[in-house]
Amino acid sequence: GNSVTQMEGPVTLSEEAFLTINCTYTATGYPSLFWYVQYPGEGLQLLLKATKADDKGSNKGFEATYRKETTSFHLEKGSVQVSDSAVYFCALSFYGGSQGNLIFGKGTKLSVKP
Amino acid sequence: DVKVTQSSRYLVKRTGEKVFLECVQDMDHENMFWYRQDPGLGLRLIYFSYDVKMKEKGDIPEGYSVSREKKERFSLILESASTNQTSMYLCASSSKFYSYEQYFGPGTRLTVT
Repeated sequence: GNSVTQMEGPVTLSEEAFLTINCTYTATGYPSLFWYVQYPGEGLQLLLKATKADDKGSNKGFEATYRKETTSFHLEKGSVQVSDSAVYFCALSFYGGSQGNLIFGKGTKLSVKP
Repeated sequence: DVKVTQSSRYLVKRTGEKVFLECVQDMDHENMFWYRQDPGLGLRLIYFSYDVKMKEKGDIPEGYSVSREKKERFSLILESASTNQTSMYLCASSSKFYSYEQYFGPGTRLTVT
């Protein structure tokens, strides 16, 4: 079946540190991959996406590259800020389907200390 | 500004009560979803709907039902609430053209005592 595995948290970093959150997937076919972010007290929002192999998604200083050979989509940021403290979810979907069901990982909580 | 709203942020109900969670979106989206979010388990899909009066079971539909009488509104019903349904419930919607981009409401934290 289709699934997403991401590193367990919580992850605690100091401001300006480098961030990596690992995400790997198992899928039959060629999914699209996403990172969603959930800030405290809010719902999830789309952070970035990649729809085919070798695509790089980027937004707000975050990046992730769709690696088909390693079935991975790791999230990175060069210098985190306190405002990046949130829960990050990796997800996959099959692009082009009108119903758009997402399969989520369990989430990784990031805390950034000043 | 696009919006998905949920009827309550916090709700406390007793075991055996019938519970209604309401979700409204103002984006004219075709697809709507109900998830529950639990620590260590992430988001799990309960039900989804891709059109008015249509519904499909997700991964964990047991103990829940849904209603979609109007395009903008999707209701989750707990017929007889139990303590193991204490959770955060998230509603989401998406357009059939950009179906992967789901817009989420702020969530309802339900406690069943």
